[in-house]
Amino acid sequence: ETGVTQTPRHLVMGMTNKKSLKCEQHLGHNAMYWYKQSAKKPLELMFVYNFKEQTENNSVPSRFSPECPNSSHLFLHLHTLQPEDSALYLCASSQDWGTAPYEQYFGPGTRLTVT
Amino acid sequence: QQQVKQSPQSLIVQKGGISIINCAYENTAFDYFPWYQQFPGKGPALLIAIRPDVSEKKEGRFTISFNKSAKQFSLHIMDSQPGDSATYFCAASRSGGYQKVTFGIGTKLQVIP
Repeated sequence: ETGVTQTPRHLVMGMTNKKSLKCEQHLGHNAMYWYKQSAKKPLELMFVYNFKEQTENNSVPSRFSPECPNSSHLFLHLHTLQPEDSALYLCASSQDWGTAPYEQYFGPGTRLTVT
Repeated sequence: QQQVKQSPQSLIVQKGGISIINCAYENTAFDYFPWYQQFPGKGPALLIAIRPDVSEKKEGRFTISFNKSAKQFSLHIMDSQPGDSATYFCAASRSGGYQKVTFGIGTKLQVIP
């Protein structure tokens, strides 16, 4: 596997279910991100991890819970979601601290539908 | 508050024509302006980027024009091809540390034969 992979690619869950999204990057990066992509809206940054430490939580509801066990893996744990949470969830990674802007590499996303 | 405004939201261009997408930003602290291209079923991928110390950057058929005083920048796709049909996002960020990127709303481009 190369680049950034995400599983599952599609997920349908009820409002009372608990599920997890997984992201893995094979690029040797130290920063990882979760974004939410909804139709007719800009990409919304949800969480940022740098060297496994959460450095950003963009006022995301507690029904979304991130986990970063190491620099290569990122999870998004979901519970008691709402229908408005249906969206494409994108994972990305980039290099770590520095003065140069570092490109973010995105995975293909998980299409989540909450019923 | 939408910090990066992008227009149009959709664009249809004939093959061989010029596609133009415009963006405007508010935060003068932004110093890096990338454009991302997203095909259906894929995540966004960096297409081209510019710093505010230059007014234009060209890579193949893709050109970014940057107007610092107006806080505007645009993407021009010359000789547009059907394979260019995708959604394009402009973005802005500040250098240093991990990249907190602010994205525009996206433009869905369709290039028709």
